[in-house]
Amino acid sequence: AQSVAQPEDQVNVAEGNPLTVKCTYSVSGNPYLFWYVQYPNRGLQFLLKYITGDNLVKGSYGFEAEFNKSQTSFHLKKPSALVSDSALYFCAVRDLTGGGNKLTFGTGTQLKVEL
Amino acid sequence: NAGVTQTPKFQVLKTGQSMTLQCAQDMNHEYMSWYRQDPGMGLRLIHYSVGAGITDQGEVPNGYNVSRSTTEDFPLRLLSAAPSQTSVYFCASSKGTISNSPLHFGNGTRLTVT
Repeated sequence: AQSVAQPEDQVNVAEGNPLTVKCTYSVSGNPYLFWYVQYPNRGLQFLLKYITGDNLVKGSYGFEAEFNKSQTSFHLKKPSALVSDSALYFCAVRDLTGGGNKLTFGTGTQLKVEL
Repeated sequence: NAGVTQTPKFQVLKTGQSMTLQCAQDMNHEYMSWYRQDPGMGLRLIHYSVGAGITDQGEVPNGYNVSRSTTEDFPLRLLSAAPSQTSVYFCASSKGTISNSPLHFGNGTRLTVT
């Protein structure tokens, strides 16, 4: 089965510093990987995806993610964090069962950006 | 453009009661799905649909029923509520396959079963 792991429940970073939110994956075949963000009392919002191509994927709000096949990782990054980036971040992988129409989410990482 | 609309926002049920969580989207999306979100467990797929008249089970379907009679609506029915179904429920839709089109989420229904 396809799965993703987010090893950190919470990440704290100072505003202006670079941030990294970690994700590792386990898939059979080529991975389809995604990052979503959830603000308080809201649904998830799509940030970016990796299907194929360049290992560095750029997404919304200045976020990017680096796909690393040898380390089976898909870490989310931003060069300079903002307080407004504080939210819950989810990594997800496409599940190939059921015709590939399922996403399996990680457990989430709470990002806190402090002044 | 309303996007994905979920009603109600909050609901309290007693054990054994039944109810329907409503989900409607106005984006003409073929794909719709229901997730539940529990602390420390992320989001888990309950049921999904790739088009009107077609539904399938996700990871945690027991205790829930769905139907898809129109493209716009995808209601989730709890047949006999249990405390284990206390959760936040999210409906999500997508234009095409989830590989090519992002999921659009509603703002959730917070359900408490006592």
